Amino acid sequence: NAGVTQTPKFRVLKTGQSMTLLCAQDMNHEYMYWYRQDPGMGLRLIHYSVGEGTTAKGEVPDGYNVSRLKKQNFLLGLESAAPSQTSVYFCASSLTGGPQETQYFGPGTRLLVL
Amino acid sequence: LAKTTQPISMDSYEGQEVNITCSHNNIATNDYITWYQQFPSQGPRFIIQGYKTKVTNEVASLFIPADRKSSTLSLPRVSLSDTAVYYCLVGEAGGYNKLIFGAGTRLAVHP
Repeated sequence: NAGVTQTPKFRVLKTGQSMTLLCAQDMNHEYMYWYRQDPGMGLRLIHYSVGEGTTAKGEVPDGYNVSRLKKQNFLLGLESAAPSQTSVYFCASSLTGGPQETQYFGPGTRLLVL
Repeated sequence: LAKTTQPISMDSYEGQEVNITCSHNNIATNDYITWYQQFPSQGPRFIIQGYKTKVTNEVASLFIPADRKSSTLSLPRVSLSDTAVYYCLVGEAGGYNKLIFGAGTRLAVHP
């Protein structure tokens, strides 16, 4: 099993450009999440999904959109990138909901917005 | 979700036991205590989880006193590879899996 994979690993954008980050998991997990991590800080939840075709807002959703068309994939979109979105983005998945469930994280995507 | 407080950083030496204490005064009856580890340039990784008393696995032990207002992650005989950030999280079982990460504790293990 590859676990949770993220594409791309690193990207540089200019302000106003758009891009999509792809997350894929091969563990048949129902729940998937997108976090961002800024220097010296913990992770903050952007959006999450409790199953195929569903999405919901997390702690910091503004400026991002997501889609979960297939159970194994969770896409994070930036329609018009801003320098404040420079961050490391982590995707995670878990079998079911509830903090007692282990979340499995991907390796991260480093995004720099100029 | 209960707020957690843990030291910003700790230093240790190879072979020593490291104890990281997390305070969660407002923990609710149904809350679990979970610890994650994050190495530089990697995503967090689950270490251990507990509800009360003591839990031990191949990586660490988690001590939770009777009042559950704090917990202590114990790493036996640390090595250089244990240098990482350790996050303490508290959350309610059931519902959707919302993890609130604080800044964590940066553990530096020295030779």
